[in-house]
Amino acid sequence: GDSVTQMEGPVTLSEEAFLTINCTYTATGYPSLFWYVQYPGEGLQLLLKATKADDKGSNKGFEATYRKETTSFHLEKGSVQVSDSAVYFCALLNFGNEKLTFGTGTRLTIIP
Amino acid sequence: DAGVIQSPRHEVTEMGQEVTLRCKPISGHDYLFWYRQTMMRGLELLIYFNNNVPIDDSGMPEDRFSAKMPNASFSTLKIQPSEPRDSAVYFCASSEAGQRFNGYTFGSGTRLTVV
Repeated sequence: GDSVTQMEGPVTLSEEAFLTINCTYTATGYPSLFWYVQYPGEGLQLLLKATKADDKGSNKGFEATYRKETTSFHLEKGSVQVSDSAVYFCALLNFGNEKLTFGTGTRLTIIP
Repeated sequence: DAGVIQSPRHEVTEMGQEVTLRCKPISGHDYLFWYRQTMMRGLELLIYFNNNVPIDDSGMPEDRFSAKMPNASFSTLKIQPSEPRDSAVYFCASSEAGQRFNGYTFGSGTRLTVV
């Protein structure tokens, strides 16, 4: 079945550092890929998405590129801020399946 | 739109009591999902509905859990009797069939503590 593997956390970075959170997936066909973010005490919010190979999703300075050859969708940001501290979830949605498959989440803490 | 609305935000109850969690999806969304989040197990899909009909309840942990969706604008998740191991944050999410590749919209969750 479909699965998502995320980089183990927690991740701690200094403000203005470069961020990468790795995400790889296993799925048949051509799933859509998502990154969700969960700030403390809140629900998950869609951060960005990509629906086909080589698509780049971007939002709030974050980017991720759908790489079918490596089955990856790594999240990147060039310069993180304290306000980016949150838990980040990678997820996929496959054709014919209404259920999002989530990774385990990566907790990110940014220190000033 | 006000988004997905869940109530209550926090619930503290004694073991053995009945607990009812409520969710109002976004108007026009025809899928509704119930998730549970814990530190140990992460995010778990409990059940989901399409057009008010339960489609997959394989994630419901046991018979103490039940979920209903009497109409398109309301769903409940009930635990009876509650146990301390049910303590978690419960999320409701909704999505629109024609826009499924836009992902889900989540509510803010209900933090349940069973003592």
